Amino acid sequence: GAVVSQHPSWVICKSGTSVKIECRSLDFQATTMFWYRQFPKQSLMLMATSNEGSKATYEQGVEKDKFLINHASLTLSTLTVTSAHPEDSSFYICSAGVPRESYEQYFGPGTRLTVT
Amino acid sequence: GEDVEQSLFLSVREGDSSVINCTYTDSSSTYLYWYKQEPGAGLQLLTYIFSNMDMKQDQRLTVLLNKKDKHLSLRIADTQTGDSAIYFCAESIGGYSTLTFGKGTMLLVSP
Repeated sequence: GAVVSQHPSWVICKSGTSVKIECRSLDFQATTMFWYRQFPKQSLMLMATSNEGSKATYEQGVEKDKFLINHASLTLSTLTVTSAHPEDSSFYICSAGVPRESYEQYFGPGTRLTVT
Repeated sequence: GEDVEQSLFLSVREGDSSVINCTYTDSSSTYLYWYKQEPGAGLQLLTYIFSNMDMKQDQRLTVLLNKKDKHLSLRIADTQTGDSAIYFCAESIGGYSTLTFGKGTMLLVSP
């Protein structure tokens, strides 16, 4: 089946630094990738949708200058949390899909970010 | 706006059936999904149902949809300890549009 990986699986960074999270579709080409954020005991909240080769579409309330998303190829999307603060600590999950072929989104294992 | 509600916790004994319930508000939802999340892991799609279906069965899983009441349920037969996880209900309008998730139901299966 379709596999999506994320790297790193967990990261600890100091307040004020930037962190990049990678999302890769390993055995298929994903025209669309989604980034979600999950707080403890809460649901996943969609942050943004990115289509390969175009700018990401951010959900209301998500700061596009803080959460930089790049979808440069059909197998890689990156999320960069810039000038991270403790309140950015969360579990970030990406998913990938091929909308023209299937309804399904394939989820990565997630990246746990802790900002100290 | 879209809203998906789930009960937060369910505890069952091994071998019993588990029923996890979900309600949604958007009548234009066309796909409804159940995802499983094990600790520290991403989401795994368990099953889905299209809105013109009432029921879908897949091995130990049975999904029931009451579109009139906007109620979705997931029944797990012969629940095992390995089924302990958080189960998310999600809906989308269209097959590949963005998903709206519930907060998840933590299922705890005791031996």
